[in-house]
Amino acid sequence: QVQLVQSGSEFKKPGASVKISCTPSGYTLSSYTMNWVRQAPGKGLDWMGWINTDTGNPTYAQGFTGRFVFSLDSSLRTAHLQISDLETDDTAVYFCARVGDGFFFDVWGQGTLVLVSS
Amino acid sequence: SDLSQPPSVSVFPGQTATIDCSGDNLGERFVCWYHQKAGQSPVLVMFRDSERPSGIPERFSGSNSGNTATLTITGAQALDEGDYYCQAWDSKVFGSGTKVTVL
Repeated sequence: QVQLVQSGSEFKKPGASVKISCTPSGYTLSSYTMNWVRQAPGKGLDWMGWINTDTGNPTYAQGFTGRFVFSLDSSLRTAHLQISDLETDDTAVYFCARVGDGFFFDVWGQGTLVLVSS
Repeated sequence: SDLSQPPSVSVFPGQTATIDCSGDNLGERFVCWYHQKAGQSPVLVMFRDSERPSGIPERFSGSNSGNTATLTITGAQALDEGDYYCQAWDSKVFGSGTKVTVL
Protein backbone atom coordinates (compact mmCIF):
# COMPACT_ATOMS: atom_id res chain seq x y z
CA GLN A 1 0.00 0.00 0.00
CA VAL A 2 1.37 3.38 -1.01
CA GLN A 3 1.61 5.85 1.84
CA LEU A 4 3.65 8.71 3.23
CA VAL A 5 4.74 8.44 6.85
CA GLN A 6 5.63 11.65 8.64
CA SER A 7 7.51 12.22 11.86
CA GLY A 8 5.74 12.97 15.11
CA SER A 9 4.54 16.17 16.73
CA GLU A 10 7.06 18.80 17.69
CA PHE A 11 6.86 21.34 20.51
CA LYS A 12 9.31 24.22 20.16
CA LYS A 13 10.06 27.62 21.61
CA PRO A 14 10.22 30.75 19.42
CA GLY A 15 13.59 31.09 17.73
CA ALA A 16 14.26 27.36 17.65
CA SER A 17 14.40 25.15 14.55
CA VAL A 18 12.48 22.05 13.58
CA LYS A 19 13.02 19.35 10.97
CA ILE A 20 10.11 17.21 9.81
CA SER A 21 10.53 14.01 7.82
CA CYS A 22 8.33 12.35 5.23
CA THR A 23 9.13 8.76 4.22
CA PRO A 24 7.39 6.97 1.37
CA SER A 25 6.22 3.42 1.75
CA GLY A 26 5.31 1.30 -1.25
CA TYR A 27 7.22 3.34 -3.78
CA THR A 28 10.59 4.98 -4.34
CA LEU A 29 10.90 8.63 -3.31
CA SER A 30 12.64 9.67 -6.52
CA SER A 31 9.75 8.48 -8.69
CA TYR A 32 7.40 11.35 -7.81
CA THR A 33 7.87 15.00 -6.83
CA MET A 34 7.03 15.94 -3.25
CA ASN A 35 5.12 18.96 -2.08
CA TRP A 36 4.65 20.54 1.33
CA VAL A 37 1.39 22.05 2.59
CA ARG A 38 0.75 24.00 5.78
CA GLN A 39 -2.54 24.16 7.67
CA ALA A 40 -2.73 26.59 10.58
CA PRO A 41 -5.24 25.78 13.33
CA GLY A 42 -8.78 26.21 12.02
CA LYS A 43 -7.50 27.50 8.68
CA GLY A 44 -7.26 26.28 5.10
CA LEU A 45 -4.54 24.62 3.10
CA ASP A 46 -1.49 26.66 2.15
CA TRP A 47 0.84 25.33 -0.54
CA MET A 48 4.47 25.84 0.54
CA GLY A 49 6.31 24.54 -2.50
CA TRP A 50 7.87 21.36 -3.83
CA ILE A 51 11.11 19.48 -4.26
CA ASN A 52 12.32 17.59 -7.30
CA THR A 53 13.05 14.22 -5.71
CA ASP A 54 15.34 13.28 -8.58
CA THR A 55 17.65 16.32 -8.48
CA GLY A 56 16.92 17.65 -5.00
CA ASN A 57 16.09 21.08 -6.45
CA PRO A 58 13.50 22.91 -4.29
CA THR A 59 10.93 25.52 -5.34
CA TYR A 60 9.34 27.72 -2.68
CA ALA A 61 5.95 29.40 -2.86
CA GLN A 62 5.56 33.05 -2.04
CA GLY A 63 5.73 33.56 1.69
CA PHE A 64 7.87 30.48 2.29
CA THR A 65 11.32 31.72 1.38
CA GLY A 66 14.20 32.25 3.76
CA ARG A 67 13.33 30.25 6.88
CA PHE A 68 11.96 27.17 5.08
CA VAL A 69 14.15 24.51 3.51
CA PHE A 70 13.12 21.39 1.59
CA SER A 71 15.73 18.67 1.37
CA LEU A 72 16.30 14.97 0.78
CA ASP A 73 18.44 12.74 2.91
CA SER A 74 21.62 11.28 1.45
CA SER A 75 20.04 7.90 0.90
CA LEU A 76 17.25 9.61 -1.10
CA ARG A 77 14.65 7.74 0.89
CA THR A 78 13.20 10.58 2.95
CA ALA A 79 12.11 14.15 2.29
CA HIS A 80 12.57 16.82 4.95
CA LEU A 81 11.11 20.19 5.79
CA GLN A 82 13.21 22.37 8.06
CA ILE A 83 11.93 25.61 9.55
CA SER A 84 14.38 27.88 11.33
CA ASP A 85 13.86 30.82 13.67
CA LEU A 86 10.38 29.57 14.53
CA GLU A 87 7.60 32.04 15.22
CA THR A 88 4.32 31.44 17.02
CA ASP A 89 2.57 31.91 13.65
CA ASP A 90 4.39 28.80 12.40
CA THR A 91 2.13 26.72 14.65
CA ALA A 92 0.38 24.44 12.18
CA VAL A 93 0.02 20.94 10.82
CA TYR A 94 2.48 20.35 7.99
CA PHE A 95 1.65 17.79 5.31
CA CYS A 96 3.81 16.25 2.64
CA ALA A 97 1.94 15.28 -0.53
CA ARG A 98 2.98 13.36 -3.60
CA VAL A 99 2.20 14.50 -7.12
CA GLY A 100 0.41 11.66 -8.84
CA ASP A 101 0.47 10.61 -12.47
CA GLY A 102 -1.37 13.73 -13.47
CA PHE A 103 -2.32 17.11 -12.18
CA PHE A 104 -3.08 16.37 -8.55
CA PHE A 105 -1.76 15.37 -5.12
CA ASP A 106 -2.71 11.72 -4.86
CA VAL A 107 -1.05 10.63 -1.62
CA TRP A 108 -0.78 12.71 1.55
CA GLY A 109 1.15 12.14 4.74
CA GLN A 110 -0.75 12.00 8.01
CA GLY A 111 0.46 15.47 8.95
CA THR A 112 2.94 16.70 11.59
CA LEU A 113 1.85 19.17 14.23
CA VAL A 114 4.41 21.85 15.05
CA LEU A 115 3.45 23.86 18.12
CA VAL A 116 5.50 26.97 18.79
CA SER A 117 5.04 28.54 22.18
CA SER A 118 7.13 30.17 24.86
CA SER B 1 -5.68 32.74 -1.85
CA ASP B 2 -6.67 33.88 -5.34
CA LEU B 3 -9.37 31.20 -5.46
CA SER B 4 -12.64 32.04 -3.70
CA GLN B 5 -15.07 29.52 -2.26
CA PRO B 6 -18.20 30.02 -0.15
CA PRO B 7 -17.36 29.47 3.52
CA SER B 8 -20.19 27.00 4.01
CA VAL B 9 -22.78 24.94 2.17
CA SER B 10 -25.61 23.03 3.83
CA VAL B 11 -27.55 20.21 2.23
CA PHE B 12 -30.21 17.73 3.29
CA PRO B 13 -29.41 14.05 2.92
CA GLY B 14 -30.16 12.86 -0.59
CA GLN B 15 -30.19 16.38 -2.00
CA THR B 16 -27.61 18.07 -4.22
CA ALA B 17 -24.76 20.22 -2.96
CA THR B 18 -22.78 22.48 -5.27
CA ILE B 19 -19.51 24.11 -4.31
CA ASP B 20 -18.13 26.87 -6.52
CA CYS B 21 -14.53 27.92 -6.84
CA SER B 22 -13.89 31.25 -8.52
CA GLY B 23 -10.70 32.65 -10.01
CA ASP B 24 -9.49 34.60 -13.01
CA ASN B 25 -9.76 32.52 -16.18
CA LEU B 26 -10.08 29.39 -14.04
CA GLY B 27 -11.68 27.56 -16.96
CA GLU B 28 -8.34 27.65 -18.74
CA ARG B 29 -6.59 25.89 -15.84
CA PHE B 30 -6.93 22.36 -14.56
CA VAL B 31 -8.71 22.23 -11.22
CA CYS B 32 -8.78 19.47 -8.64
CA TRP B 33 -10.78 19.08 -5.44
CA TYR B 34 -9.93 17.63 -2.04
CA HIS B 35 -12.16 16.55 0.84
CA GLN B 36 -10.83 16.86 4.38
CA LYS B 37 -12.59 15.49 7.41
CA ALA B 38 -11.78 16.86 10.84
CA GLY B 39 -8.38 15.73 12.04
CA GLN B 40 -7.56 13.88 8.84
CA SER B 41 -5.45 14.43 5.75
CA PRO B 42 -7.12 15.72 2.58
CA VAL B 43 -8.36 13.17 0.06
CA LEU B 44 -8.49 13.80 -3.69
CA VAL B 45 -12.07 13.61 -5.00
CA MET B 46 -11.75 15.19 -8.45
CA PHE B 47 -8.89 15.97 -10.81
CA ARG B 48 -8.47 17.56 -14.23
CA ASP B 49 -11.77 19.39 -13.64
CA SER B 50 -14.10 16.41 -13.94
CA GLU B 51 -12.24 13.13 -13.51
CA ARG B 52 -12.94 10.98 -10.47
CA PRO B 53 -10.11 9.01 -8.85
CA SER B 54 -10.62 5.32 -8.32
CA GLY B 55 -12.80 4.71 -5.28
CA ILE B 56 -14.62 8.05 -5.35
CA PRO B 57 -18.39 7.56 -5.69
CA GLU B 58 -20.24 8.56 -8.85
CA ARG B 59 -22.29 11.08 -6.88
CA PHE B 60 -19.26 13.38 -7.13
CA SER B 61 -18.92 15.32 -10.38
CA GLY B 62 -17.01 18.37 -11.50
CA SER B 63 -17.01 21.06 -14.15
CA ASN B 64 -14.92 24.09 -15.01
CA SER B 65 -15.75 26.96 -17.34
CA GLY B 66 -15.14 30.68 -17.51
CA ASN B 67 -14.04 31.86 -14.10
CA THR B 68 -15.75 29.14 -12.05
CA ALA B 69 -15.10 25.50 -11.26
CA THR B 70 -17.86 23.54 -9.56
CA LEU B 71 -17.92 20.37 -7.50
CA THR B 72 -21.35 18.75 -7.29
CA ILE B 73 -22.45 16.11 -4.84
CA THR B 74 -25.66 14.52 -6.09
CA GLY B 75 -27.45 12.64 -3.35
CA ALA B 76 -25.33 13.88 -0.46
CA GLN B 77 -24.67 11.52 2.44
CA ALA B 78 -23.60 12.16 6.02
CA LEU B 79 -20.12 10.87 5.27
CA ASP B 80 -19.69 13.68 2.72
CA GLU B 81 -19.47 16.24 5.51
CA GLY B 82 -16.21 18.10 5.93
CA ASP B 83 -14.14 20.75 4.24
CA TYR B 84 -13.66 20.88 0.50
CA TYR B 85 -10.79 22.69 -1.20
CA CYS B 86 -10.30 23.45 -4.86
CA GLN B 87 -6.79 23.75 -6.30
CA ALA B 88 -5.65 25.32 -9.53
CA TRP B 89 -2.94 23.07 -10.79
CA ASP B 90 -0.81 25.63 -12.61
CA SER B 91 -0.19 27.65 -9.45
CA LYS B 92 -0.84 24.85 -6.91
CA VAL B 93 -2.77 27.42 -4.88
CA PHE B 94 -5.72 26.15 -2.87
CA GLY B 95 -9.10 27.78 -2.56
CA SER B 96 -10.25 29.20 0.74
CA GLY B 97 -12.26 26.09 1.56
CA THR B 98 -15.95 25.27 1.99
CA LYS B 99 -17.44 23.52 4.98
CA VAL B 100 -20.18 21.14 3.87
CA THR B 101 -22.83 20.25 6.42
CA VAL B 102 -25.34 17.49 5.79
CA LEU B 103 -28.38 18.48 7.85
